[in-house]
Amino acid sequence: LAKTTQPISMDSYEGQEVNITCSHNNIATNDYITWYQQFPSQGPRFIIQGYKTKVTNEVASLFIPADRKSSTLSLPRVSLSDTAVYYCLFGDGGTSYGKLTFGQGTILTVHP
Amino acid sequence: GAVVSQHPSRVICKSGTSVKIECRSLDFQATTMFWYRQFPKQSLMLMATSNEGSKATYEQGVEKDKFLINHASLTLSTLTVTSAHPEDSSFYICSARGEANVLTFGAGSRLTVL
Repeated sequence: LAKTTQPISMDSYEGQEVNITCSHNNIATNDYITWYQQFPSQGPRFIIQGYKTKVTNEVASLFIPADRKSSTLSLPRVSLSDTAVYYCLFGDGGTSYGKLTFGQGTILTVHP
Repeated sequence: GAVVSQHPSRVICKSGTSVKIECRSLDFQATTMFWYRQFPKQSLMLMATSNEGSKATYEQGVEKDKFLINHASLTLSTLTVTSAHPEDSSFYICSARGEANVLTFGAGSRLTVL
């Protein structure tokens, strides 16, 4: 099973940049790395996906080192509404991609 | 973008009854959908993979006779919790691969069994 390791929780303040790192030592060559955000009683929401180096979209950046055994989700200037659970997952984008194993995720709490 | 719709969002039923939850891909076709279960303050646990036109594949420890999955079309998968009991109370979430192979999740269905 694909296994990831993330900090259980993190605290931040409005306006700060938040970096959440995930370890995925047994990532395979074909695997992509994807991050999701989940609010209470809602389904996970896609944030960003990448394969290597750096990916940026309108809400976040994803940094992946050359060995790809970890990845860092960067949220610029967080707000109270970014308080949520963040999950990193990896899969090969093929038939088994959806068969993803969720780790415990990181509970991010943003304070005023 | 890809949207996955779940219905109902909340359901309360009596012990011993069966409950059906629908998962629809609204603007794309999904030959494969996935069903997860999530208990309070826990992560999502994959229950089964739903395959259009064939039998679902269940994860170890998930009772296939308890959680019936039907994927009769390219846009609809259903999960039926048969003879529900209070321990089946949970948050059930489906997902499907949409654009760029990104896994898109439904909003979830909260099942409460009295």
